[in-house]
Amino acid sequence: NAGVTQTPKFQVLKTGQSMTLQCAQDMNHEYMSWYRQDPGMGLRLIHYSVGAGITDQGEVPNGYNVSRSTTEDFPLRLLSAAPSQTSVYFCASSYSRWGTDTQYFGPGTRLTVL
Amino acid sequence: AQKVTQAQTEISVVEKEDVTLDCVYETRDTTYYLFWYKQPPSGELVFLIRRNSFDEQNEISGRYSWNFQKSTSSFNFTITASQVVDSAVYFCALRDSGGSNYKLTFGKGTLLTVNP
Repeated sequence: NAGVTQTPKFQVLKTGQSMTLQCAQDMNHEYMSWYRQDPGMGLRLIHYSVGAGITDQGEVPNGYNVSRSTTEDFPLRLLSAAPSQTSVYFCASSYSRWGTDTQYFGPGTRLTVL
Repeated sequence: AQKVTQAQTEISVVEKEDVTLDCVYETRDTTYYLFWYKQPPSGELVFLIRRNSFDEQNEISGRYSWNFQKSTSSFNFTITASQVVDSAVYFCALRDSGGSNYKLTFGKGTLLTVNP
């Protein structure tokens, strides 16, 4: 199993540009989520999905969209990038939505918005 | 609301010293799950351990041990005979039984530096 994969590893955008961060898992996990990691703020939940076709907002959803058309993929879209979205983005997945299951993280995408 | 506090922002030790990383949590749930993750300089988040709220047994895995005490809402992590490769940011996290977006609530992390 490849686990949780994310692409790209690094990205630089200009203010106003849009892009999609890719996330995929090959473990047949039901639950997938996106976090952002900022210095001094820890990791904060952006969006999550409890299964294909079902998504919902986390703590900091503004400026981001997600969709989940398949079990495997959970892309994160930045609609119009802003410098405040400069961060490290982590995708995570777990077998179920429940706390009994461990969330495993992808390697992260480091995004800089100029 | 859930909260995880890691009061130690940075710890620096010399190789072979023992070191304990503190974690204190808050939750209203009676069923919850506690985790430790390691983030080495390469940046990935590596799962170390999960503990259920109803299992207070301490756990030892090699040089790592965890002390879970519900009475003080603490889930501390000890590294025995630390090594340079243990240098990383360590995160404690809490996941409750189903509310709060099923998310992990993370502490802000403790940066551990092990010097040779």
